[in-house]
Amino acid sequence: QMQLVQSGAEVKKTGSSVKVSCKASGYTFTYRYLHWVRQAPGQALEWMGWITPFNGNTNYAQKFQDRVTITRDRSMSTAYMELSSLRSEDTAMYYCARWNTATGAFDIWGQGTMVTVSS
Amino acid sequence: EIVLTQSPGTLSLSPGERATLSCRASQSVSSSYLAWYQQKPGQAPRLLIYGASSRATGIPDRFSGSGSGTDFTLTISRLEPEDFAVYYCQQYGSLFTFGPGTKVDIK
Repeated sequence: QMQLVQSGAEVKKTGSSVKVSCKASGYTFTYRYLHWVRQAPGQALEWMGWITPFNGNTNYAQKFQDRVTITRDRSMSTAYMELSSLRSEDTAMYYCARWNTATGAFDIWGQGTMVTVSS
Repeated sequence: EIVLTQSPGTLSLSPGERATLSCRASQSVSSSYLAWYQQKPGQAPRLLIYGASSRATGIPDRFSGSGSGTDFTLTISRLEPEDFAVYYCQQYGSLFTFGPGTKVDIK
């Protein structure tokens, strides 16, 4: 079945970086945009950016423009989200989600990766 | 950036009752790109409705979506115990934004 499987929870120090992976299976990885969405504890969903797995093009939310990098490895059907200069406010669950252009919605979500930032 | 506002913030209802959730956009949204998601504690969001009114695969017909322009509605005709959750609307214009969510809890 189609699924996205993310890497495990991370605990990071303030000022460091974190890299989260998202492995796709059950569909052709290069055919669908892959997005990253985060959710701070008890808060709403917040879109961070996307990547086109086919050619690696990216687009980031202005809020994260200077700190986020989304990449992919086509051979591994895996996308990555790296967030740098971490601060306590970055403590959140990070999700990858597949954008289905046919439906215009996020139709498959990863299970989430909890990133905790502390000093 | 299009801002989405959801109301009410919390909806307290009993099983079997009808739930009506509102999503209002700060400017007109293409109906093709208005979606609703359900999220239960400890779980990832799940797509319910896309294109403002189309049910995603496997979604029961007690869930329905409607609306256009700046005003959209998610209706749950008869609440089942598993429907108590948080619901988010989401739009895609030039960028992607989510609403703040409506929590449907048991009265």
